[in-house]
Amino acid sequence: DAGVIQSPRHEVTEMGQEVTLRCKPISGHNSLFWYRQTMMRGLELLIYFNNNVPIDDSGMPEDRFSAKMPNASFSTLKIQPSEPRDSAVYFCASSLTGLNTEAFFGQGTRLTVV
Amino acid sequence: AQSVTQLDSQVPVFEEAPVELRCNYSSSVSVYLFWYVQYPNQGLQLLLKYLSGSTLVKGINGFEAEFNKSQTSFHLRKPSVHISDTAEYFCAVTDTGGGNKLTFGTGTQLKVEL
Repeated sequence: DAGVIQSPRHEVTEMGQEVTLRCKPISGHNSLFWYRQTMMRGLELLIYFNNNVPIDDSGMPEDRFSAKMPNASFSTLKIQPSEPRDSAVYFCASSLTGLNTEAFFGQGTRLTVV
Repeated sequence: AQSVTQLDSQVPVFEEAPVELRCNYSSSVSVYLFWYVQYPNQGLQLLLKYLSGSTLVKGINGFEAEFNKSQTSFHLRKPSVHISDTAEYFCAVTDTGGGNKLTFGTGTQLKVEL
């Protein structure tokens, strides 16, 4: 398996623009997580899906952020409108729900909002 | 809710010297504990995990960690580091409910010098 695939790897956008980050989890995994990494706040869980259903979105910073998982092999994280403080590395991770499992991380999308 | 504290933001060490990266956690329920490593511009990779059983856990690349319930600690150790171990190390915790929702510490930058 190719692992968790995120696209794009880098994104530079202007303030106010819409940004869409994409994630393809590992085939067969039924849990998907979006994390944000910044120097100031470290790694924060934004949202967590199980079997394509959002379970916990308490980490989503505000209404400008939204995430979808239309099927088991694809998820998006959208920011509209984007702001400079959204600049961060966004990671997607997937796992099998249950005991003795680990979360596998993608390589991340580095977002810069200017 | 859980929290993780990594007191050392940076740890410099000479090659072939031993190292210990400290991790303490707080939780009102039983937890699983993890150490992840992040190399520059990469995603996170699992080093080792504690689920149950022996409190001494061995992981990849010669790392090991010991779970101490009374001290709520899960310190990471390596008896002899290599220059290639230079990376950021994250301690993480999740509850035992099977949701795999990780709470991360702020990370420790390990810098191995010649």
